[in-house]
Amino acid sequence: SQTIHQWPATLVQPVGSPLSLECTVEGTSNPNLYWYRQAAGRGLQLLFYSVGIGQISSEVPQNLSASRPQDRQFILSSKKLLLSDSGFYLCAWNFNRVTGELFFGEGSRLTVL
Amino acid sequence: QQPVQSPQAVILREGEDAVINCSSSKALYSVHWYRQKHGEAPVFLMILLKGGEQKGHDKISASFNEKKQQSSLYLTASQLSYSGTYFCGTGGHSGNTPLVFGKGTRLSVIA
Repeated sequence: SQTIHQWPATLVQPVGSPLSLECTVEGTSNPNLYWYRQAAGRGLQLLFYSVGIGQISSEVPQNLSASRPQDRQFILSSKKLLLSDSGFYLCAWNFNRVTGELFFGEGSRLTVL
Repeated sequence: QQPVQSPQAVILREGEDAVINCSSSKALYSVHWYRQKHGEAPVFLMILLKGGEQKGHDKISASFNEKKQQSSLYLTASQLSYSGTYFCGTGGHSGNTPLVFGKGTRLSVIA
């Protein structure tokens, strides 16, 4: 069966520190992968998506970046965190490539102090 | 472009009904509904692909009015377990088009 894992689940980081969030999918190949962020009052904001290894599309200009080094691995990074980067980060893959339904990982809650 | 959801929040007593609306200024090819419990990831509820399509399971159903570029989610005889934030997501004509979500509707069901 297909599963999606994110880690770490929770982290507290100082302003200006780097960030790396990892997401892996099991039980499928060549999935479309997505990073969404949930901040207070803004719903689910699409940050990046990828349709294949090394292919990244950015939706929001910011100090975050994403990479897809392997077929089922998606990484969200930052060199220097800002206070505004705090939020709940969700990785997702679309388990139906025709219609695009998403299955979300457990999420990573980031607090930047 | 982000779809607009209304209301932003609603409080119900068990057994009452609720309607959550989702509208877009752009043509809609598909509408997805998700529910998120506090502190958890959103969970897929249903997808509507065609104008006029209606779907449902248990006491939660949805409709899609393609011409009006709107979708509505109907919760009937609400239960405590229905509490959470409901999101609509709009998709493109391809499954590769990422979903754009509304800001969500917070539903609280009280005894």
